[in-house]
Amino acid sequence: DQQVKQNSPSLSVQEGRISILNCDYTNSMFDYFLWYKKYPAEGPTFLISISSIKDKNEDGRFTVFLNKSAKHLSLHIVPSQPGDSAVYFCAASLSGNTPLVFGKGTRLSVIA
Amino acid sequence: GAVVSQHPSRVICKSGTSVKIECRSLDFQATTMFWYRQFPKKSLMLMATSNEGSKATYEQGVEKDKFLINHASLTLSTLTVTSAHPEDSSFYICSVAPGARGNEQFFGPGTRLTVL
Repeated sequence: DQQVKQNSPSLSVQEGRISILNCDYTNSMFDYFLWYKKYPAEGPTFLISISSIKDKNEDGRFTVFLNKSAKHLSLHIVPSQPGDSAVYFCAASLSGNTPLVFGKGTRLSVIA
Repeated sequence: GAVVSQHPSRVICKSGTSVKIECRSLDFQATTMFWYRQFPKKSLMLMATSNEGSKATYEQGVEKDKFLINHASLTLSTLTVTSAHPEDSSFYICSVAPGARGNEQFFGPGTRLTVL
């Protein structure tokens, strides 16, 4: 049973437009959510995170929105750039120093 | 964030041999490190939690006698794949969690293991 779901395996967006990547989770005990970016044959790179006590966190072009009642979060990238093309993983964790539970990832392609 | 290295980055070995993968936390003393594996086009799956000075905690379905983890110091954890088989071919990644800001984990660059 997958606790973190990314239902879109891929997404194509034109350069300059907004990219919206979605993530759903089932475990209501998760209280910290993270987005990672990953290139092939490399480890994931941390992008942005959000605590369950917030509904929005913004860092430059990246904004994460959290809807706890819907158990849904999304990552917005605006404006999208070709260098953003990668696989994006949504991850969730319980409180404390606990392992992350990852979604299957969404491959974002930003077309120039 | 924390800087994490892994060695080797890529290894090819014959079936039946053992392979050791090192994970080093370069700028942070990590009492806990995590080991993940990723199959092609799949998510990252937690294999085990490596605890400095004590036994690792393995996830269900991960054989502890096959995937030996040693966390002998605060900066080094090793994963040894014993008697490797072709189905062990995968991308192995370690991470550390400094804990300074929530639950962010910082990952090493990964090790691509190919067992012939």
